[in-house]
Amino acid sequence: TQLLEQSPQFLSIQEGENLTVYCNSSSVFSSLQWYRQEPGEGPVLLVTVVTGGEVKKLKRLTFQFGDARKDSSLHITAAQPGDTGLYLCAPAGYGNKLVFGAGTILRVKS
Amino acid sequence: DVKVTQSSRYLVKRTGEKVFLECVQDMDHENMFWYRQDPGLGLRLIYFSYDVKMKEKGDIPEGYSVSREKKERFSLILESASTNQTSMYLCASSWGRGGTEAFFGQGTRLTVV
Repeated sequence: TQLLEQSPQFLSIQEGENLTVYCNSSSVFSSLQWYRQEPGEGPVLLVTVVTGGEVKKLKRLTFQFGDARKDSSLHITAAQPGDTGLYLCAPAGYGNKLVFGAGTILRVKS
Repeated sequence: DVKVTQSSRYLVKRTGEKVFLECVQDMDHENMFWYRQDPGLGLRLIYFSYDVKMKEKGDIPEGYSVSREKKERFSLILESASTNQTSMYLCASSWGRGGTEAFFGQGTRLTVV
């Protein structure tokens, strides 16, 4: 059920740069979650977006849910090495089932 | 502090062996999930369970089975391990229907030789 497309697959940037990663689908979702997985750990929830057009901020991270609730973006301002990890999106709409996109690997170099 | 515990961090098994991966959660969650994670493929759902003794196939169930005899425990079984099942396996739990937070274990790195 790979209905989700995350882009880019891999991003390597310098500390202090800004970046945006995307999660796209042709399906409409009731909500969407973003998780971050650090090396050697399981994924941890960052945010859930629910309303079309919703914007949520978590310190330097800004999450947006598309107006049509088919896509979402995550923008990081002034990236830091601690932001390094795998960013995964997971939409709701499959009942109890929880599926993920393939993720974006972010590497922030100091 | 909520917790999902996987029985082993690292496991090495031989081809053809029957392998059990155990996962326990202490949050009284209804849902439990097993994923495998391979480079570039994200988390792929193997099986999930929404209640005791209830299970549903995920996207890649072939070669795997599961057992959920108690609410807190969800086991993944590789009936006859093969080298292409070498992977990182992650267990997660959540409550209710989709959109609620999932909590993950730290993963089991399984190598089949």
